[in-house]
Amino acid sequence: NAGVMQNPRHLVRRRGQEARLRCSPMKGHSHVYWYRQLPEEGLKFMVYLQKENIIDESGMPKERFSAEFPKEGPSILRIQQVVRGDSAAYFCASSALGTSETQYFGPGTRLLVL
Amino acid sequence: GIQVEQSPPDLILQEGANSTLRCNFSDSVNNLQWFHQNPWGQLINLFYIPSGTKQNGRLSATTVATERYSLLYISSSQTTDSGVYFCAVTYSGAGSYQLTFGKGTKLSVIP
Repeated sequence: NAGVMQNPRHLVRRRGQEARLRCSPMKGHSHVYWYRQLPEEGLKFMVYLQKENIIDESGMPKERFSAEFPKEGPSILRIQQVVRGDSAAYFCASSALGTSETQYFGPGTRLLVL
Repeated sequence: GIQVEQSPPDLILQEGANSTLRCNFSDSVNNLQWFHQNPWGQLINLFYIPSGTKQNGRLSATTVATERYSLLYISSSQTTDSGVYFCAVTYSGAGSYQLTFGKGTKLSVIP
């Protein structure tokens, strides 16, 4: 019974490069959430997706960040033209239902921007 | 938005001691979860507990929804309990799916 999978676990990018973070939800889960943990800000919601739909992206920075959850394959969080302030741990969570239910978290991707 | 406050912010325990961590929230919640973030950074689900009491081994949790607080009890602490404990809630004002996290309680258990 595999849990939420994220890869890579660690990612190093130079300023201006692109970062692509992948998340495979738990089996049977069709709701995916991304959260970011910045050192001084704690864990914050970024985006909520269902298959082929972005339900709520109110926590996403307006520029450079995008997310998708295609019909086939993992959910992808994409950060274009990374800056040092993007260095953080990015966590993906999934649930079977979309509201008021346990969210199960993956191990996170630690992004370091040089 | 909802405010989630955890106390104490830091806690140092001798191995074998018991502790109580508190989470206060400012509005009615649909969901409340407790997490343990271990020293390797992984977030581990401990409890889903919007109300009532649950126990799992040396850990137990109680949420009193009407008074807007939750407590996490750790008994006979072990060094492997070290890490940061987070409380997180969802509420109707944010679609009932956005988890809002507290700042956490950093627990250090020393041998």
